[in-house]
Amino acid sequence: GAGVSQSPRYKVAKRGQDVALRCDPISGHVSLFWYQQALGQGPEFLTYFQNEAQLDKSGLPSDRFFAERPEGSVSTLKIQRTQQEDSAVYLCASSPSRSQYFGPGTRLLVL
Amino acid sequence: DAKTTQPPSMDCAEGRAANLPCNHSTISGNEYVYWYRQIHSQGPQYIIHGLKNNETNEMASLIITEDRKSSTLILPHATLRDTAVYYCIVSGADNTDKLIFGTGTRLQVFP
Repeated sequence: GAGVSQSPRYKVAKRGQDVALRCDPISGHVSLFWYQQALGQGPEFLTYFQNEAQLDKSGLPSDRFFAERPEGSVSTLKIQRTQQEDSAVYLCASSPSRSQYFGPGTRLLVL
Repeated sequence: DAKTTQPPSMDCAEGRAANLPCNHSTISGNEYVYWYRQIHSQGPQYIIHGLKNNETNEMASLIITEDRKSSTLILPHATLRDTAVYYCIVSGADNTDKLIFGTGTRLQVFP
C-alpha cells in the first residue's frame, strides 16, 4: 500500500523566504510526527499531532516554525523567514501503534 | 539526549551475521527497545522492537539481556542492501511517544 509521502522532495529557498512542506500520512494513522535531520546527525523531534490536535511542539526551534494538521490527515510544516541554519532534511512519520513509518523527507537548502 | 550508546561504525562481510550492540543502562521498566535503520537518502525504516523477551521477525532478531541494560540486533545473513545507519532507541510503548535518535551505528556490508 501507499506509504508516507512528502512534497516537495527538494526545496531551495533564499534566506528570508517562507517555505511550506507537506506530509501525506498513511490513511487512518492517528499520530503524526515531524523531525529535522541535519547533515551527519540523527533525526531530531520537532512536533507531534494526534488527529488534528498538536499535543507536543517542544522540539520546534523557534517561533518561525509552525505546523498544522487541520483535518487530522495531511500536515504542513511552515518555516517563516528562513535562515541558513534551517537547512536540513525534514522528515514526517505516521504511526498506528508502536512503530513509526517515515516518509522520504524534504531536503531544504537555504542560501 | 539519547538514552542509548552504540559504536559509531561496524563492518560485516556479505552473507555473514551482523551483530549490532546497544547499551541502554538507564532504561525504565515500561520502556521498549526499538531499532530503526536509515539507508542513504531515505527516511528511517522500522526494524523491530522488544520489551524484555527476545524477538524475531522477517528482518532481524533482537536479543535483550536479562537486566535489560543492553541489547543486540542480529541481521542473520547480511546483504549489500543492509548497508545503513542503525539506530537503537528507547521509548514508550504507544504511538504518542517521540523517538529520540542518537548518532547510530554505520554498518558497512562488503562483498
